Amino acid sequence: NAGVTQTPKFQVLKTGQSMTLQCAQDMNHNSMYWYRQDPGMGLRLIYYSASEGTTDKGEVPNGYNVSRLNKREFSLRLESAAPSQTSVYFCASSERWSYNEQFFGPGTRLTVL
Amino acid sequence: GQQLNQSPQSMFIQEGEDVSMNCTSSSIFNTWLWYKQEPGEGPVLLIALYKAGELTSNGRLTAQFGITRKDSFLNISASIPSDVGIYFCAGHSAGSWGKLQFGAGTQVVVTP
Repeated sequence: NAGVTQTPKFQVLKTGQSMTLQCAQDMNHNSMYWYRQDPGMGLRLIYYSASEGTTDKGEVPNGYNVSRLNKREFSLRLESAAPSQTSVYFCASSERWSYNEQFFGPGTRLTVL
Repeated sequence: GQQLNQSPQSMFIQEGEDVSMNCTSSSIFNTWLWYKQEPGEGPVLLIALYKAGELTSNGRLTAQFGITRKDSFLNISASIPSDVGIYFCAGHSAGSWGKLQFGAGTQVVVTP
């Protein structure tokens, strides 16, 4: 099992460009999450999907959109990238919404110039 | 959003020493999780705690769910160089619909 995989691993964008971060899990988990991590801060929740077909805003959703493509895949889209979105993005999954053990992917390091 | 208070922020220790860190919250939690993150990698789950007073070990790591349900502790015994990394606490409070709150992390540096 690969667990949680993310692509790409690194990305550099210019302000105003768009891109989609991909995430997939092979653990048959119901719930998936997108976080961002900034220096000196913990992980902050951007969006989550409690189950296939549902998505909800987290703590810092502005400037992002998500799509739960199927049970395995959960993508994060930046429509018009801004320098404030320079961060490391992590996808995570858990067996179900009420089960709190979340498993993380390796991250995508995004720089917006 | 509210973050947990995690301390210390960093620790520089010698190989063989024991390490202790803790997290506190103003809210009552029903779950505490401890993660380790190595450079360039995602956080890896070390220990999960679900019951007040619970003490759980994973090798040289031991974590406790505080009796007040507002704190948790992680101890690493006899540290080795591969213990280097950032350790995060995370907690889940009742009614937060599965959302975890994360501490800012404790950076551990182990010198030979």
